Amino acid sequence: GAGVSQSPRYKVAKRGQDVALRCDPISGHVSLFWYQQALGQGPEFLTYFQNEAQLDKSGLPSDRFFAERPEGSVSTLKIQRTQQEDSAVYLCASSSTTDTQYFGPGTRLTVL
Amino acid sequence: AQSVTQLDSHVSVSEGTPVLLRCNYSSSYSPSLFWYVQHPNKGLQLLLKYTSAATLVKGINGFEAEFKKSETSFHLTKPSAHMSDAAEYFCVVSLRYGGATNKLIFGTGTLLAVQP
Repeated sequence: GAGVSQSPRYKVAKRGQDVALRCDPISGHVSLFWYQQALGQGPEFLTYFQNEAQLDKSGLPSDRFFAERPEGSVSTLKIQRTQQEDSAVYLCASSSTTDTQYFGPGTRLTVL
Repeated sequence: AQSVTQLDSHVSVSEGTPVLLRCNYSSSYSPSLFWYVQHPNKGLQLLLKYTSAATLVKGINGFEAEFKKSETSFHLTKPSAHMSDAAEYFCVVSLRYGGATNKLIFGTGTLLAVQP
């Protein structure tokens, strides 16, 4: 597609449920990033992939968060046993070999 | 460590008047700097970027920013505000992993309101 796509756009989960958020990057982009944007805040880095390799996961807030990109294209961010503090917009971005990252529309996660 | 500070959380201007959104950065080396805009319920859109070429960078929709190393600033300006400019603006610095692309560090954002 022309841009980064994410699904679902909105997700409501009950506390304790597992969720999976999907990101389709721009075709051919080797780098993929996940960010978390809490209400009223700027996005914060979660994790980074170069092709299928996860090179940096220092921003993942706990071991309940897990990301994968098994074939170097589509990525999934999984959150296990969701908590209310996980409520946020999760943004995916992809990049080629330049500094410019192109963002998807985000997935708004609400944990009740 | 790399960081950015956006000096104003809210800015309000009248339509047709100039816009100034202030940003200071901290970086141990020559940084890559960006401004992104986020309209309500929309994704982040790149306005412009600085990557050590010309210090005055022109972006989309009439925005521009000037990199001033002596002041560690990267303020965003526009000569004449339009109603459609109302949005949240983020100043961003990149943290580089060797020669590869890298993670972005966002400021806390400036919410721009444009009054008719």
